[in-house]
Amino acid sequence: EDQVTQSPEALRLQEGESSSLNCSYTVSGLRGLFWYRQDPGKGPEFLFTLYSAGEEKEKERLKATLTKKESFLHITAPKPEDSATYLCAVLTGGSEKLVFGKGMKLTVNP
Amino acid sequence: DAGVTQSPTHLIKTRGQHVTLRCSPISGHKSVSWYQQVLGQGPQFIFQYYEKEERGRGNFPDRFSARQFPNYSSELNVNALLLGDSALYLCASSPEGAMSSSYEQYFGPGTRLTVT
Repeated sequence: EDQVTQSPEALRLQEGESSSLNCSYTVSGLRGLFWYRQDPGKGPEFLFTLYSAGEEKEKERLKATLTKKESFLHITAPKPEDSATYLCAVLTGGSEKLVFGKGMKLTVNP
Repeated sequence: DAGVTQSPTHLIKTRGQHVTLRCSPISGHKSVSWYQQVLGQGPQFIFQYYEKEERGRGNFPDRFSARQFPNYSSELNVNALLLGDSALYLCASSPEGAMSSSYEQYFGPGTRLTVT
């Protein structure tokens, strides 16, 4: 069965303190890995899709990378407005569904 | 551009009742998926519809059903509600089905269902 594990479950950073979030996966034939940001009580907001190992994508202070076993979401010099839950999901061969991890709650203190 | 819209935003129902949730996808998107998200967990896949046909179904009981209309909007129906059905129900749309080479899902704000 396809599995997605995110770590840590929660992370507190000071403003400007860079860090990385990890998403490891065990799947049969990865077709895509997705990162979303979710604010409390709201729907997930699309950030990135990565399709192959070695691929990298950037958006403002966020950079996502992908290997054959895991993905990292690097946050550079975070600001309080980056506080949210970050979700990782995979799409696998022959499947119509995204399989999500539990999410990682990021808190950035001013 | 309007994003994915869902109605209602909040709903309170009693055990045993039936509920219908509605979703309008982004204009031009042909695929709609439904997810259930309980507090502290990631979304769990319920259904995917593409071009009005069911293309995928998650591990949910037959009390859950859905359909997609000619204008690509969708409804999720849940019968005989249980307390455990309380959750945020999310709708996501994408331009094509999951078998396309480039597949991205955009989520709506969700419907918060509380079953008492």
